[in-house]
Amino acid sequence: EAGVAQSPRYKIIEKRQSVAFWCNPISGHATLYWYQQILGQGPKLLIQFQNNGVVDDSQLPKDRFSAERLKGVDSTLKIQPAKLEDSAVYLCASSYRGREGLDEQFFGPGTRLTVL
Amino acid sequence: DAKTTQPNSMESNEEEPVHLPCNHSTISGTDYIHWYRQLPSQGPEYVIHGLTSNVNNRMASLAIAEDRKSSTLILHRATLRDAAVYYCIPTRGKDSSYKLIFGSGTRLLVRP
Repeated sequence: EAGVAQSPRYKIIEKRQSVAFWCNPISGHATLYWYQQILGQGPKLLIQFQNNGVVDDSQLPKDRFSAERLKGVDSTLKIQPAKLEDSAVYLCASSYRGREGLDEQFFGPGTRLTVL
Repeated sequence: DAKTTQPNSMESNEEEPVHLPCNHSTISGTDYIHWYRQLPSQGPEYVIHGLTSNVNNRMASLAIAEDRKSSTLILHRATLRDAAVYYCIPTRGKDSSYKLIFGSGTRLLVRP
């Protein structure tokens, strides 16, 4: 079974530039998550999709971050404009809503963003 | 959301058992206890979860205290590949907005 795919793996940009990350979840997984992981910290949830609808985006800085999941499959996360503090690894995860609602989340390898 | 306390780091020798503790004294009666781990330069991966009873799977065992205020992840024979950051995460079960709230975790070092 193919895992969660993310691209690019690495990205270096200058502050105030824009950047986009792409995620392809495991086939059949209805739920998709984007996390931000700053060096030395645990991942922090930015946004959660159920199919193509947003379930939780309470931690997403909406003035600069946006995300979409058209057709309920692939997803993109965009930062516009980027700030120095956005330097982090951006992780995508997906899950299949099984019984009891206790889904194991499968994570991709992440995109490491460096903002100069 | 329940708060957790884990040691910042632990060390173990290869092929010896490892007991990773987690305190979650504010856990509610319906919260499950999940453990995930994150190998270097990889995304987190699921290890095990439980509610009240001890649980075993091919990766590890989970021992949950009777009062559910603490739990211990047990790796029966540590290997070098088990060197990772281990996260203990209480989660709301039967909730469509099920999400993981990661703390800082425990960094496990395995000595050859």
